[in-house]
Amino acid sequence: DSGVTQTPKHLITATGQRVTLRCSPRSGDLSVYWYQQSLDQGLQFLIQYYNGEERAKGNILERFSAQQFPDLHSELNLSSLELGDSALYFCASSALRGPQFFGPGTRLTVL
Amino acid sequence: AQTVTQSQPEMSVQEAETVTLSCTYDTSESDYYLFWYKQPPSRQMILVIRQEAYKQQNATENRFSVNFQKAAKSFSLKISDSQLGDAAMYFCAYRSRTNFGNEKLTFGTGTRLTIIP
Repeated sequence: DSGVTQTPKHLITATGQRVTLRCSPRSGDLSVYWYQQSLDQGLQFLIQYYNGEERAKGNILERFSAQQFPDLHSELNLSSLELGDSALYFCASSALRGPQFFGPGTRLTVL
Repeated sequence: AQTVTQSQPEMSVQEAETVTLSCTYDTSESDYYLFWYKQPPSRQMILVIRQEAYKQQNATENRFSVNFQKAAKSFSLKISDSQLGDAAMYFCAYRSRTNFGNEKLTFGTGTRLTIIP
């Protein structure tokens, strides 16, 4: 158990819908990262937050957004979903300059 | 931009034997971290080992060790006394140490390791 929690574990929805993925970092970690793992794109970095502020952006679509709240949990919002958004979405957390520890992931299926 | 290459999509090893997984990377930076993560069938990403580029000594964690060749930009993982529980996808990853604030991991495409009983 990495100490990073993600909910829900599985999500099945239809094209055009909007979903929210939630992540709670390890106790004391201020950095939160979101990654997408798909068969054709592999593991891709989406976005990083540090203590509530956006720190870095990767290959995140405009239909996707995220935020980190004062209690340090983070949410990733995916809207206008397409079939190609089906993937495993990971959240990771770290202390400053520390290694990243991953949550169990949320498997999103878009039908 | 940094890239990470894992040229072995699949490997297999006999239980109790030793196996080495290869990873090469490309970067213009001199200070960085390298990692190996393991992803078993449960799909959980588990940190196996990390190496800081400024350290010449190769990192070891129990049966796992790395061969870090900075000049060659090579970072291989050696698993000794392979066990059935080692069966997983292994990902090599790079992270900048100088680009403060952007601590993203750049991953390779992975090597699927099978353990033969």
